[in-house]
Amino acid sequence: NAGVTQTPKFQVLKTGQSMTLQCAQDMNHNSMYWYRQDPGMGLRLIYYSASEGTTDKGEVPNGYNVSRLNKREFSLRLESAAPSQTSVYFCASSERAFYGYTFGSGTRLTVV
Amino acid sequence: EDQVTQSPEALRLQEGESSSLNCSYTVSGLRGLFWYRQDPGKGPEFLFTLYSAGEEKEKERLKATLTKKESFLHITAPKPEDSATYLCAVQASGGGADGLTFGKGTHLIIQP
Repeated sequence: NAGVTQTPKFQVLKTGQSMTLQCAQDMNHNSMYWYRQDPGMGLRLIYYSASEGTTDKGEVPNGYNVSRLNKREFSLRLESAAPSQTSVYFCASSERAFYGYTFGSGTRLTVV
Repeated sequence: EDQVTQSPEALRLQEGESSSLNCSYTVSGLRGLFWYRQDPGKGPEFLFTLYSAGEEKEKERLKATLTKKESFLHITAPKPEDSATYLCAVQASGGGADGLTFGKGTHLIIQP
């Protein structure tokens, strides 16, 4: 009964380094999302995938890319990390676009 | 632009002291309003979805209500385990981004 699994849980990067955040869900959900959460800002949508094979930009997509590898997996890539990308990243999934989301436990990323 | 404002930012109650959290919203057309609970260091946990004004939903000590401009999360006789940050989010029926717009949350502390 795993739900949404995110890896890694913690990561420290140097400015300019790249990395990929992994997300997998085992609930056969169609839609998947990447959010970032910053103090005083609330959760903000980075990218989403309404269904397998499609991806779209959210509110704050600059500096990120995504891949919907299959129905289960949705990864988020930082090509050249910047200190402004220091945040907690959450992956979420839902059966359909307007149903309640199931969130992962988050990745805490620090860029120095 | 869709907006969600939650109040108060923080609330401290005694065990058994009932209260309400407010979520006011501005959207082009409401598809759904969502309530989540978030514990420290964890991802948000889905509580309720409300779709139309007048709708109410209950779960244990929590009751969510919806009007055309705001939603309330009523907490009846809370216990210390109800301490968490409560997040409100809306999904608009129009627009390109198929995701939720979140408020900044209400940090609730229940003292024994």
